Amino acid sequence: GEDVEQSLFLSVREGDSSVINCTYTDSSSTYLYWYKQEPGAGLQLLTYIFSNMDMKQDQRLTVLLNKKDKHLSLRIADTQTGDSAIYFCAEKTGGYNKLIFGAGTRLAVHP
Amino acid sequence: DTGVSQDPRHKITKRGQNVTFRCDPISEHNRLYWYRQTLGQGPEFLTYFQNEAQLEKSRLLSDRFSAERPKGSFSTLEIQRTEQGDSAMYLCASSLQSGTNEKLFFGSGTQLSVL
Repeated sequence: GEDVEQSLFLSVREGDSSVINCTYTDSSSTYLYWYKQEPGAGLQLLTYIFSNMDMKQDQRLTVLLNKKDKHLSLRIADTQTGDSAIYFCAEKTGGYNKLIFGAGTRLAVHP
Repeated sequence: DTGVSQDPRHKITKRGQNVTFRCDPISEHNRLYWYRQTLGQGPEFLTYFQNEAQLEKSRLLSDRFSAERPKGSFSTLEIQRTEQGDSAMYLCASSLQSGTNEKLFFGSGTQLSVL
């Protein structure tokens, strides 16, 4: 069945890099996404990667995809306090946006 | 603001009451989605509209739930005879159908508390 798993919590020092990991089970995933959720807010699309790519960089964000191991990661360079939030990994398998989300990783950035 | 808007932001109700939520998608978006998010979990897909047609419903959507999108613009989600297990954040999202990657835009959600 479809399942997306993430570690629940990550704590980093301001200025360091953060790496948030995700594993998924559906090998027919077409796109994989990273969303950010701040308290009391909806989900904000951060970045995404197409399944035939293995890396995508977007300013401070780097997404790595290992399709063989069904492993996705999000690296945030020079992490700032404003990056503190919950980060969700999601996979898309169909032709529309029925996304399967992980439970989210809470990123805490401390001075 | 041209984002996805949801109303109300918060709803407190007693068990057994009916509630209705509204979602206004981004104006040119023809696809609209409802998701539900419980504490400590990621969003779970509930249902999907393309224009006014409801094309898929999750098995999470019991008979007490009904969603409509009568003119292909705003949508409503009604829960009848609410139960405590219905307490959750109900998220609406929209996208514009395209041949490549469609980006899904979420509203801020309606937080439902059933007492």
